[in-house]
Amino acid sequence: QITLKESGPTLVKPTETLTLTCTFSGFSLSSSGRGVGWIRQPPGKSLEWLAVISWNDHKMFSPSLTTRLTITKDTSKNEVVLTMTNMAPVDTATYYCAHRPSSWSSFDSWGQGNLVTVSS
Amino acid sequence: DIEMTQSPSSLSASVGDRITITCRASQDIATYLAWLQQKPGEAPKSLIYTASSLQSGVPSRFSGSGSGTEFTLTISSLQPEDFATYYCQQYDSYPLTFGGGTKVDIK
Repeated sequence: QITLKESGPTLVKPTETLTLTCTFSGFSLSSSGRGVGWIRQPPGKSLEWLAVISWNDHKMFSPSLTTRLTITKDTSKNEVVLTMTNMAPVDTATYYCAHRPSSWSSFDSWGQGNLVTVSS
Repeated sequence: DIEMTQSPSSLSASVGDRITITCRASQDIATYLAWLQQKPGEAPKSLIYTASSLQSGVPSRFSGSGSGTEFTLTISSLQPEDFATYYCQQYDSYPLTFGGGTKVDIK
């Protein structure tokens, strides 16, 4: 059974850097084709894809956020870390991580989400 | 970017009704289309991938069809637990994009 769980702050100040950790079980991110992605959802709005990291350390980012995002993995700890710099109130959202079983697949398992509010 | 447009944005239906939600892509995405269900306060749940394949454990009353630019999600007989918001998502190319959602509520 695949599970993912996001952890990180619930409140950050404008201009600060957000660091979120996705801790997962039930699969290895060293297995060929697998990936972990990050998706966010502002309150009452639709979903926005942010980034994905693959088993071979290949990374893809949303073009609108690429200058602000970093994604890394620690295969030994079963963790993926997303950092987003220069946070603003418009970045207030629930941040989800999700599992991608192969290179040409959708996300099949999602974490419970971490609501992040950006406010001074 | 590939734009995903869902219709309707909301619908009201009764238990037992058959409903259909449409998703249109701004360019050909073959069958690289997923459908997600989200209930209030919960994370999205994957229902369908490659346009018509059900994820494990998803009831057979859910079905998906389409290819290219037009896709549909059908629920053959709406159950109380199906009242939720549904999203389509393309994974043909980056950036991955989602539709605006269709909220299904009780008539």
